[in-house]
Amino acid sequence: NAGVTQTPKFQVLKTGQSMTLQCAQDMNHNSMYWYRQDPGMGLRLIYYSASEGTTDKGEVPNGYNVSRLNKREFSLRLESAAPSQTSVYFCASNPGRGSSETQYFGPGTRLLVL
Amino acid sequence: QKEVEQNSGPLSVPEGAIASLNCTYSDRGSQSFFWYRQYSGKSPELIMSIYSNGDKEDGRFTAQLNKASQYVSLLIRDSQPSDSATYLCAVNRSGGYQKVTFGTGTKLQVIP
Repeated sequence: NAGVTQTPKFQVLKTGQSMTLQCAQDMNHNSMYWYRQDPGMGLRLIYYSASEGTTDKGEVPNGYNVSRLNKREFSLRLESAAPSQTSVYFCASNPGRGSSETQYFGPGTRLLVL
Repeated sequence: QKEVEQNSGPLSVPEGAIASLNCTYSDRGSQSFFWYRQYSGKSPELIMSIYSNGDKEDGRFTAQLNKASQYVSLLIRDSQPSDSATYLCAVNRSGGYQKVTFGTGTKLQVIP
């Protein structure tokens, strides 16, 4: 049982390049989330998926798109990377409505946009 | 006003002392409250959750909730150097389906 996994662990992009951050969970959780964490800003929600087939914007969605590919996988895409998107990105999952609200985090992806 | 506020610290305590971490929140309808611990370079991990007024104890950790005053605190007894980390307060906003708002965290340093 690996929990929440993320790939890649670290990535350097040039401004304007695109990339997809991958996230998968093997806990049969319904809800999945993407956060970014910046110094002094805490964890901020980018997008979330309450259940398979649904996605919703969080606090800072601009510049990002997401896909809930199936119950296990939730990807985050940067279409045209900007230096302001330099951050640490965490994926998280949660069992869903009526269950514990504990969020289980992946190890993070460190992204540097030059 | 931030939705969830924490003092960024660092909070320095000697080994064996009690560390007290505080958090205030703005949404009176908030229902669920969490403390996460985050070691440097690692992801957050849940250490305590609390849903009703009063104290909740788990080993050396005690979470305290006061909804009237809109604050939640975390006490760490017999602090150890391994407790040195950033502690994130998180609050489930009313009406927010399985969405939580995180504070910016308090950095705790336990001095041997």
